Amino acid sequence: ILNVEQSPQSLHVQEGDSTNFTCSFPSSNFYALHWYRWETAKSPEALFVMTLNGDEKKKGRISATLNTKEGYSYLYIKGSQPEDSATYLCAFIRAGNNRKLIWGLGTSLAVNP
Amino acid sequence: DGGITQSPKYLFRKEGQNVTLSCEQNLNHDAMYWYRQDPGQGLRLIYYSQIVNDFQKGDIAEGYSVSREKKESFPLTVTSAQKNPTAFYLCASSPTTGGITNTEAFFGQGTRLTVV
Repeated sequence: ILNVEQSPQSLHVQEGDSTNFTCSFPSSNFYALHWYRWETAKSPEALFVMTLNGDEKKKGRISATLNTKEGYSYLYIKGSQPEDSATYLCAFIRAGNNRKLIWGLGTSLAVNP
Repeated sequence: DGGITQSPKYLFRKEGQNVTLSCEQNLNHDAMYWYRQDPGQGLRLIYYSQIVNDFQKGDIAEGYSVSREKKESFPLTVTSAQKNPTAFYLCASSPTTGGITNTEAFFGQGTRLTVV
């Protein structure tokens, strides 16, 4: 069984706070790890595609790190803004012919103004 | 513009009726997926297809059927055998070639199905 776990399940922060969430995945047969942002009434959109151990990626105030040996990725948001409120999903792809995405349940972030 | 389109956005059906949800993409992606989301739960995979005329069951395929006759289209039929069909359904597509970084999934807007 391949499990992808995200924590915390939900998070409430004040505008300007920095925050981070965790995605845990199987450490064997790693191929890729994705982060998506899913805003209410919209489709999920990819934030990062991470493939190498030690990868660090950044998009504006959002960044992510990857540790494939221990099976986790962190997503950081610096100086949270109300528009950052969304559910953040991670998805794991296992090495092999089947590139099926295996999803975590997401972290729901609410940023209060 | 390239993208993935689901229709309709909202769908109401009577219990016992089959209903088909449409998903079309013009991204030239080989892989297409159907997911279901229920309140308080994450995305659960119903069916996926890596190539035309081939598809695989996901984690919750019972009560659903799909077809992949064309690369662009992956319709999902919710049959009367699905015990709890009311949910939000998301379709996605992704490339299967082009290297390790070319795996990003693109999503439709979703269809909210209500069975009464």
